[in-house]
Amino acid sequence: KNQVEQSPQSLIILEGKNCTLQCNYTVSPFSNLRWYKQDTGRGPVSLTIMTFSENTKSNGRYTATLDADTKQSSLHITASQLSDSASYICVVSDRGSTLGRLYFGRGTQLTVWP
Amino acid sequence: EADIYQTPRYLVIGTGKKITLECSQTMGHDKMYWYQQDPGMELHLIHYSYGVNSTEKGDLSSESTVSRIRTEHFPLTLESARPSHTSQYLCASSGSGFTGDLNEQFFGPGTRLTVL
Repeated sequence: KNQVEQSPQSLIILEGKNCTLQCNYTVSPFSNLRWYKQDTGRGPVSLTIMTFSENTKSNGRYTATLDADTKQSSLHITASQLSDSASYICVVSDRGSTLGRLYFGRGTQLTVWP
Repeated sequence: EADIYQTPRYLVIGTGKKITLECSQTMGHDKMYWYQQDPGMELHLIHYSYGVNSTEKGDLSSESTVSRIRTEHFPLTLESARPSHTSQYLCASSGSGFTGDLNEQFFGPGTRLTVL
């Protein structure tokens, strides 16, 4: 069964600190992995996308890593800001369907305190 | 910011009412999707469309129906709303491409539906 598991479920950090969010997946055949940021009451917004051949991708203070052998990914946030408070969702796409089906994790709820 | 719109943003209605959630995109995308998301849970695909006059059911069974008469418009309808339909509904779209390509799905802001 294709699944995406994220940890931790929730995380509280102080402004300016770094944090790392984890994602494990069993989706096969693998196409790509994306990290989305979802603010409360809003739709998800893409942060990074990585294919099988990529093992790291940065977008400003966000850096995602991918280990396709162990089927693990992480999202590292440096120098956190209050605006980083949101749910971060790991999404894996398969290449076994014409739709390019997406499999969503439940997200990590990040809260940044001043 | 992605040009995909959903209305209304919030809707509170009584049981038995018929409702239509609107979704429009101005990016000319062929593929459109409806997801259902409960608090703290993952998004579940309930409907999708490859293009005009194409609609398919997603992974999660839903009593809602959709139509795709125009490329830019993908409304979702509930003929008789029930409290179990209370949820957030997210619309998304993506461009055409090959199987499993990198076409990003752009999401609308969502409609928070509450059925009393």
